[in-house]
Amino acid sequence: AQSVAQPEDQVNVAEGNPLTVKCTYSVSGNPYLFWYVQYPNRGLQFLLKYITGDNLVKGSYGFEAEFNKSQTSFHLKKPSALVSDSALYFCALRDSNYQLIWGAGTKLIIKP
Amino acid sequence: EAGVAQSPRYKIIEKRQSVAFWCNPISGHATLYWYQQILGQGPKLLIQFQNNGVVDDSQLPKDRFSAERLKGVDSTLKIQPAKLEDSAVYLCASSPTQGPNQPQHFGDGTRLSIL
Repeated sequence: AQSVAQPEDQVNVAEGNPLTVKCTYSVSGNPYLFWYVQYPNRGLQFLLKYITGDNLVKGSYGFEAEFNKSQTSFHLKKPSALVSDSALYFCALRDSNYQLIWGAGTKLIIKP
Repeated sequence: EAGVAQSPRYKIIEKRQSVAFWCNPISGHATLYWYQQILGQGPKLLIQFQNNGVVDDSQLPKDRFSAERLKGVDSTLKIQPAKLEDSAVYLCASSPTQGPNQPQHFGDGTRLSIL
């Protein structure tokens, strides 16, 4: 069965420190993986995607994600967190019907 | 490029009333999605259109929810009659095609509160 897991409900990071938001997946074929961010009272904004190729994917707002096939993970990273990065982050997997399977979301809190 | 437009942003109704939401996707996007997002959860797909045809409506509660995209551009989602558990944010998204590498672009949603 295809699935996505975000094991952390909340991640707290001090401003200026590196951040990681974790995502693991389960899929029988090649994974198509996405990260989205949601600010309060806003829709989801696309950050980046992994389709094929380099395992390190660069996206918007300085975010990047590392695809690891052996660990079936697609963790979102940023070298230096900003207070404005505080938001809800969703990992998603495209299934065989081209629908998105969504993780439950991780609330990222960046403290000044 | 204008984004996905949704209206209204907020709606408060009493249970058993009806309500409609409108979505205008990004120009030229053939694929349109309606999602329901309950507070603290990920989005749940309600219905997907490809142009004016329905691709997937397997999770749409068809006894009370309906959606249309008559001319393959804008779309309307209706709830009739509303129940308390329908309180949620209703998100519309679009993509150029339904290909696997196409990201979806979301509107800001309609927050529905049922009293």
